[in-house]
Amino acid sequence: DTAVSQTPKYLVTQMGNDKSIKCEQNLGHDTMYWYKQDSKKFLKIMFSYNNKELIINETVPNRFSPKSPDKAHLNLHINSLELGDSAVYFCASSQRTGGAYGYTFGSGTRLTVV
Amino acid sequence: DAKTTQPNSMESNEEEPVHLPCNHSTISGTDYIHWYRQLPSQGPEYVIHGLTSNVNNRMASLAIAEDRKSSTLILHRATLRDAAVYYCILRVYNNAGNMLTFGGGTRLMVKP
Repeated sequence: DTAVSQTPKYLVTQMGNDKSIKCEQNLGHDTMYWYKQDSKKFLKIMFSYNNKELIINETVPNRFSPKSPDKAHLNLHINSLELGDSAVYFCASSQRTGGAYGYTFGSGTRLTVV
Repeated sequence: DAKTTQPNSMESNEEEPVHLPCNHSTISGTDYIHWYRQLPSQGPEYVIHGLTSNVNNRMASLAIAEDRKSSTLILHRATLRDAAVYYCILRVYNNAGNMLTFGGGTRLMVKP
C-alpha cells in the first residue's frame, strides 16, 4: 500500500489556468507538508499543516493555497499559473511536527506550465 | 534549523562501505540529526535519525561525534541502487513551527 500518494503524477497546463494537486496519506500522521523542487534540484518547504495550525513559508506566493478536507488529505491549489511555477511538487507527512519524527514523502507531481 | 555542511559529491565502489560526513558545528542540545536520500526521479526517503547515541537500522548506521558537531552516515555495502543525493538535516525537538529544511546534500555515485 502506498503511504503518501499524489495525483496526478504529471500535469501540463497553460499559463493563467488554475490547477490542483491532490495528496493522501494512510499512515495516520497528523501533519502534512508541501515541498517544491525546482530545476536546480533544491527542495523548498512551502507549507506545514495539521488540524490546528497552518504554517506558510513566507516566500510562497498567495496564488498557492493548501486545502485539507480531513486529516489524511492535503491538496494544493494554484491560481493563475505562471511559467516559474514549473517544478516537481512533493507532498509529505509526519506523525508530529517535532524533531524526533521522520517524514514520509510522496513520489511527486511534475508540473509544466506552457 | 541550524546549518549543516556536506561535500557536494562523493564516489564509492560497489560492495564497499561508504562514509558520508556532515558538519553541524552550531547544533543545539535539542536538535535531532536526520538523514534523507533522494534517488533519481523519486521523492526524498527517510534514512535514519539520532540525537546523541549512534543508531543502526536496516538501511544504514549513524555515527554521532561525542561533541555532536559532526556526524557520519555509514552505508555498510554500497550498491548501485544507493546512488542518490544524501541530505543531512538538523531538526528541533517539539517545535511546531519547525519544518524539515533541505540543503544541497551530497551526491553519491557508486561505481560497479
